Amino acid sequence: DIVMTQSPLSLPVTPGEPASISCTSSQSLQRSNGNNALGWYLQKPGQSPQLLIYLGSNRASGVPDRFSGSGSGTDFTLKISRVEAEDAGVYYCMQDLQVPLTFGGGTKVEI
Amino acid sequence: EVQLVQSGGGLVQSGGSLQLSCAASGFVFSGSAAHWVRQAAGKGLEWVGRIRSAAINDATAYGASVKGRFTISRDDSKNTVYLQMNSLKAEDTAVYYCLRRIEGSAGDFVDLWGQGTLVTVSS
Repeated sequence: DIVMTQSPLSLPVTPGEPASISCTSSQSLQRSNGNNALGWYLQKPGQSPQLLIYLGSNRASGVPDRFSGSGSGTDFTLKISRVEAEDAGVYYCMQDLQVPLTFGGGTKVEI
Repeated sequence: EVQLVQSGGGLVQSGGSLQLSCAASGFVFSGSAAHWVRQAAGKGLEWVGRIRSAAINDATAYGASVKGRFTISRDDSKNTVYLQMNSLKAEDTAVYYCLRRIEGSAGDFVDLWGQGTLVTVSS
């Protein structure tokens, strides 16, 4: 199984300030077509996770442009350029290169 | 609105069975794969299994902790995917989510989660 390691576990942030979350996989997530099989999801309190970034760096429809994803292979980063109050929740990275799908342990962003 | 609507959760005794449903709304499910993921209280996300589209023979795969006890199926005429859970154990207690995974020319990725349904197994 591919192991996903996320850091930090908790991230206190101030509105208007940037934030960054790291995700590392135990093996490369890059497919032969160059796509990276890595997604970022935000789970707000009491809700199911929602897609933020897919294929490592593509912002999902409706996601504010303050969110960006970068990285390739085994190292990925989610950045929020200027955090807003509505960004609070738990952020997960997930690999879907192969089954079983595996997830990072989550990063709780507290504002 | 494009969404996955789940139903069928609840309380069941250890050793019992339960079936969860995941109905697609606003889109045709048949062209996508469906995965099930669960989250026990205060824990991380655990993959349960998946079913691919009919074009890929409805191929299924399961996580080690549920293999042989859980079965995923789909009825494309009803735009619905099912998770049949048998021989339930206390450690199966969790919120279960169904997910849509797009598999196509735009790339393969999970883009949609259901609202989740709580399964509680009492011992």
